[in-house]
Amino acid sequence: GAGVSQSPSNKVTEKGKDVELRCDPISGHTALYWYRQRLGQGLEFLIYFQGNSAPDKSGLPSDRFSAERTGESVSTLTIQRTQQEDSAVYLCASSLGTVEAFFGQGTRLTVV
Amino acid sequence: AQKVTQAQTEISVVEKEDVTLDCVYETRDTTYYLFWYKQPPSGELVFLIRRNSFDEQNEISGRYSWNFQKSTSSFNFTITASQVVDSAVYFCALSEGGSGNTGKLIFGQGTTLQVKP
Repeated sequence: GAGVSQSPSNKVTEKGKDVELRCDPISGHTALYWYRQRLGQGLEFLIYFQGNSAPDKSGLPSDRFSAERTGESVSTLTIQRTQQEDSAVYLCASSLGTVEAFFGQGTRLTVV
Repeated sequence: AQKVTQAQTEISVVEKEDVTLDCVYETRDTTYYLFWYKQPPSGELVFLIRRNSFDEQNEISGRYSWNFQKSTSSFNFTITASQVVDSAVYFCALSEGGSGNTGKLIFGQGTTLQVKP
């Protein structure tokens, strides 16, 4: 597709379950970013990929959070043993590195 | 450390009024980039502008204009003759430049703009 695609758009899960969020970046974009946006808040950086390596994981809030990327393509953000404080919109963005990042519409995660 | 502050949490104006959204940033880098994004109710962030630290020339794009002042570390955004469709959350963001530039953005908390008819 032409833009960044994220799936699912909405996810409701029970506390303690694992979830996987998917991001398909714009074709050819080498850089990929995950952000978290809590209700009424700004965006918190989680992790950055350059190709399939992650030189900056500094924003991952705990070891329950992990992410992978296949080549310069799809990325998956996994949250294990979800907690209610994990409820947020998770946004993915891609870019050619130094220019503007293009964002997907996000996955709204609700942990009940 | 890098930080972006948007002191205005919410602004409400009546259509056709001009409105300025404030953004103040902190960075130790001499090379950096500043951005504004719009987040309408649909949730997707829409890129509005990117400015590098060496270009202090103000920019105008239609009803939008930006005032970058390094002396006060500010990058303010003005909407002239606001319209209802301008209602959204607006985010200011900072990215470090130079050899450390990864494109990673540090966002402010956002300003919610409501334009009433």
